[in-house]
Amino acid sequence: NAGVTQTPKFQVLKTGQSMTLQCAQDMNHEYMSWYRQDPGMGLRLIHYSVGAGITDQGEVPNGYNVSRSTTEDFPLRLLSAAPSQTSVYFCASSYSPPSRGSFQPQHFGDGTRLSIL
Amino acid sequence: GQQLNQSPQSMFIQEGEDVSMNCTSSSIFNTWLWYKQDPGEGPVLLIALYKAGELTSNGRLTAQFGITRKDSFLNISASIPSDVGIYFCAGQVAGGTSYGKLTFGQGTILTVHP
Repeated sequence: NAGVTQTPKFQVLKTGQSMTLQCAQDMNHEYMSWYRQDPGMGLRLIHYSVGAGITDQGEVPNGYNVSRSTTEDFPLRLLSAAPSQTSVYFCASSYSPPSRGSFQPQHFGDGTRLSIL
Repeated sequence: GQQLNQSPQSMFIQEGEDVSMNCTSSSIFNTWLWYKQDPGEGPVLLIALYKAGELTSNGRLTAQFGITRKDSFLNISASIPSDVGIYFCAGQVAGGTSYGKLTFGQGTILTVHP
């Protein structure tokens, strides 16, 4: 059982380049999300999806796009990379969204380490 | 947006010592979570808390959901070297437009000296 798979594990980009970070899960989870992790700031939610065809913005969505055409995949796109987007990106999934009294534990991928020069 | 303050930022302890860390929020949460992150990996859920005042244990770990619903603490008893890592609190604000969103604390870096 692969769980949550993120690719690539490492990437270096030049300012202005675009790229897509891939996230796939094989657990039939409805809820998927993307976070970025920066030193001293914990994890901040970028975008999330409560099911195929449904996405919404998190805390820091600017500069990122997402789509959810299938239950399994939730790619994160950087449209025009900026040095401020240098970070470690984590994708997470759970059977259902966090909700009152019935939280389903999120499974995190191992992260994509992205550097923008 | 919601703010979570986690303290301490880092801890250096001797093996066998007990550890305590906490999170406070400017908003009321209806769910508190505690995660651990090992180097090069994603966070792993340790404990989930759903009700104000709830006290939950997972082995040597104990966490409590504050009665004001604005704070939570995590205790680790008799620390061992494999406890090393970054510990995060996270919470979900009750209902409405916050549905599906978790807010994370800044993390506590734990170092355990043998």
